[in-house]
Amino acid sequence: AQSVTQLDSQVPVFEEAPVELRCNYSSSVSVYLFWYVQYPNQGLQLLLKYLSGSTLVKGINGFEAEFNKSQTSFHLRKPSVHISDTAEYFCAVSPMYSGGGADGLTFGKGTHLIIQP
Amino acid sequence: NAGVTQTPKFQVLKTGQSMTLQCAQDMNHEYMSWYRQDPGMGLRLIHYSVGAGITDQGEVPNGYNVSRSTTEDFPLRLLSAAPSQTSVYFCASSEGTIANTGELFFGEGSRLTVL
Repeated sequence: AQSVTQLDSQVPVFEEAPVELRCNYSSSVSVYLFWYVQYPNQGLQLLLKYLSGSTLVKGINGFEAEFNKSQTSFHLRKPSVHISDTAEYFCAVSPMYSGGGADGLTFGKGTHLIIQP
Repeated sequence: NAGVTQTPKFQVLKTGQSMTLQCAQDMNHEYMSWYRQDPGMGLRLIHYSVGAGITDQGEVPNGYNVSRSTTEDFPLRLLSAAPSQTSVYFCASSEGTIANTGELFFGEGSRLTVL
């Protein structure tokens, strides 16, 4: 079984400052890694994903994440945040052996990013 | 392109009542799933389907039923509502496995309150 730990439930950041949202996972097998974003009163949408290849992954809205296999981490970063980035961010993993079916997807509990003007 | 459509958006039930949350997608996706979202708990998988006529249980299936008679529709039935089922419910779909597409498409959610 897999587990995902998002180390911060809430991260306040001033506008135009950099931000890092931390995600660690536990798995005995290789995994696919994802970050989803949920804006207020909306469903989740994919921000970025790591399936294979380069460990630095770029996503939408200027976000990027780096897969670190030795530290089992997949931290999300943005160099300069905007008010519009206020949202809930979810890290998720899926084991490769499952073929990547939705039943294998495990979500973290989420990090609420609060942008202060 | 409507994507994933959930109805109703809000619902209040009394304990013991039954109801169906509707989910429809117009992307011809094979995979569909239902999640519930509770504060501090993230998203938990209730049921999922890999195609018409095929359903399976997720992490928290008790108290819920599903069926998949068509590719487009995946309704979630609450048999006898309990206060513990107060939550926000999300339907999601994907074209194939996460490995192939890397993406779930979510509806906007259905907020259910059980009194």
